[in-house]
Amino acid sequence: EAGVAQSPRYKIIEKRQSVAFWCNPISGHATLYWYQQILGQGPKLLIQFQNNGVVDDSQLPKDRFSAERLKGVDSTLKIQPAKLEDSAVYLCASSIERLANHEQFFGPGTRLTVL
Amino acid sequence: KQEVTQIPAALSVPEGENLVLNCSFTDSAIYNLQWFRQDPGKGLTSLLLIQSSQREQTSGRLNASLDKSSGRSTLYIAASQPGDSATYLCAVRRGGGGADGLTFGKGTHLIIQP
Repeated sequence: EAGVAQSPRYKIIEKRQSVAFWCNPISGHATLYWYQQILGQGPKLLIQFQNNGVVDDSQLPKDRFSAERLKGVDSTLKIQPAKLEDSAVYLCASSIERLANHEQFFGPGTRLTVL
Repeated sequence: KQEVTQIPAALSVPEGENLVLNCSFTDSAIYNLQWFRQDPGKGLTSLLLIQSSQREQTSGRLNASLDKSSGRSTLYIAASQPGDSATYLCAVRRGGGGADGLTFGKGTHLIIQP
């Protein structure tokens, strides 16, 4: 079974530019999460989707961050415009409710550097 | 608001030692607790998941315990090896459905000296 796929793996941009990250969850996983991990910190949840609907976006900086999950499969996270403090690893995870423990499976992440 | 704390922040021990990593959380109303391993530049690898009704889980040389009422978990690593060097993250899940994102600690950076 293929794992969670993310692209690109690395991205370097200048502040005020825009950037987008892509995530393809494990096949059949209805729930998708985006986390932000700043260097030296644990990951922080940005947004959670159930199919193509948003379940929790309480920690998403909505003035500059947006995310969508059209058709309930792939998801895109966008930052516009980027700030220096957005430099981080962006992790995507997915889970399926038929697993009793609702375990989350993580992708390799996208490392963003904002100059 | 749930807060997760991991102690120590960093640990360096000689190969072969047994060691304990600690995790505490402020809100005991959790669904489960998960321990992850993160290698430099890589994503998260799940090590052990303990449901709120369980007391411990074991996998090979790893044993994780959970005391939900006191808000504590420990990860025990037996006979440590250089390949165990990584950052270990503890995370709690608040619900079994709906809004159930994980809340993570900052991690313990572990170095096993050959």
